[in-house]
Amino acid sequence: GAVVSQHPSWVICKSGTSVKIECRSLDFQATTMFWYRQFPKQSLMLMATSNEGSKATYEQGVEKDKFLINHASLTLSTLTVTSAHPEDSSFYICSARGGPRSGANVLTFGAGSRLTVL
Amino acid sequence: QKEVEQDPGPLSVPEGAIVSLNCTYSNSAFQYFMWYRQYSRKGPELLMYTYSSGNKEDGRFTAQVDKSSKYISLFIRDSQPSDSATYLCAPGGSNYKLTFGKGTLLTVNP
Repeated sequence: GAVVSQHPSWVICKSGTSVKIECRSLDFQATTMFWYRQFPKQSLMLMATSNEGSKATYEQGVEKDKFLINHASLTLSTLTVTSAHPEDSSFYICSARGGPRSGANVLTFGAGSRLTVL
Repeated sequence: QKEVEQDPGPLSVPEGAIVSLNCTYSNSAFQYFMWYRQYSRKGPELLMYTYSSGNKEDGRFTAQVDKSSKYISLFIRDSQPSDSATYLCAPGGSNYKLTFGKGTLLTVNP
């Protein structure tokens, strides 16, 4: 079945540094990927929509200069948290549209990346 | 009013019980309705999805949608301890964006 891989699964960084998270679709091409953030015991909140070859579309309230998204190929999107601060500590999850299980409306999710900013 | 409301539970049932998980939504533009299961510290995995009102069955799972009342349900028959997880409803529209409920934490006790 469709597999979306995220790396790293867990990262700890110092306040003020930048962290890059990768999201790859392993066995299918994903023209659109989505980035979500999930705080403990909260729902997934959509941060941005990443489209291959074009600029990402950010949801209201999400700082595009802080959360840089690059979708350089049909199988890779990256999220860079710039100048991270402790309040950015969260579970970041990507999803990709498509895959063999069904049509384009099905999203396959990665396992998530847990960011802890000290 | 939030776009998607879901009782967070927790819900605890004995093994073999029938489980009913529910969500309500307010956006009539939602066209398809997904249910995801999320284990602790993991990404969500798709359980079922449906596009129309009515029931859809897949093994022990049945998804039910009533668009007139904006109510979606997931039923689990013969629940197993391995079903213990957080269940997320996630309706979506034509732009492929999903709006997630808060999730219901289910524990099935052996």
